[in-house]
Amino acid sequence: AQSVTQLDSQVPVFEEAPVELRCNYSSSVSVYLFWYVQYPNQGLQLLLKYLSGSTLVESINGFEAEFNKSQTSFHLRKPSVHISDTAEYFCAFGGSQGNLIFGKGTKLSVKP
Amino acid sequence: DAGVTQSPTHLIKTRGQQVTLRCSPKSGHDTVSWYQQALGQGPQFIFQYYEEEERQRGNFPDRFSGHQFPNYSSELNVNALLLGDSALYLCASSLPAAKNIQYFGAGTRLSVL
Repeated sequence: AQSVTQLDSQVPVFEEAPVELRCNYSSSVSVYLFWYVQYPNQGLQLLLKYLSGSTLVESINGFEAEFNKSQTSFHLRKPSVHISDTAEYFCAFGGSQGNLIFGKGTKLSVKP
Repeated sequence: DAGVTQSPTHLIKTRGQQVTLRCSPKSGHDTVSWYQQALGQGPQFIFQYYEEEERQRGNFPDRFSGHQFPNYSSELNVNALLLGDSALYLCASSLPAAKNIQYFGAGTRLSVL
């Protein structure tokens, strides 16, 4: 069965520190992976996606994620976080039928 | 370019009632998917509509039904509401050639009392 595991439910970090949010997936078919961000009382915003090609994908606001097939991982990283990055981050897997399978989310809390 | 819009933003119902949620897809998109996000959880796939038909369905009971109109907008209907149906309901739209690349609306917060 296809599934997504986000290992950390909460990640506290100080402003300007680096952060890594972990995501592992389980699938035996073609892999499409996504990171979404959800700010309080809002919907999901697509942060970045891996469909094929380069295993390192980047977003416009400094986040990046690397697809690692051997470790079945798609961890999200940012070298220096800002207060405004405080939000919940969801890793998602593109199912074979066009649906998205989400992890339970990681709450990133950036402290001054 | 309008994104995905959902209405209403908040809704309060009582057990046993019925509810209808609405969604307009992003311009140029004709595939609509619905998700339920319970408090503290990731979104769970309910179903997906394309060409006015339900194409895929997740593990939700028949109390959850939907519809897609010729202009690609969609409705989610839930009958015989239970307390456990309280959640944020998210609509997402996509292109048929890229169903997995989904763009979400802000959601409808449903509270069942």
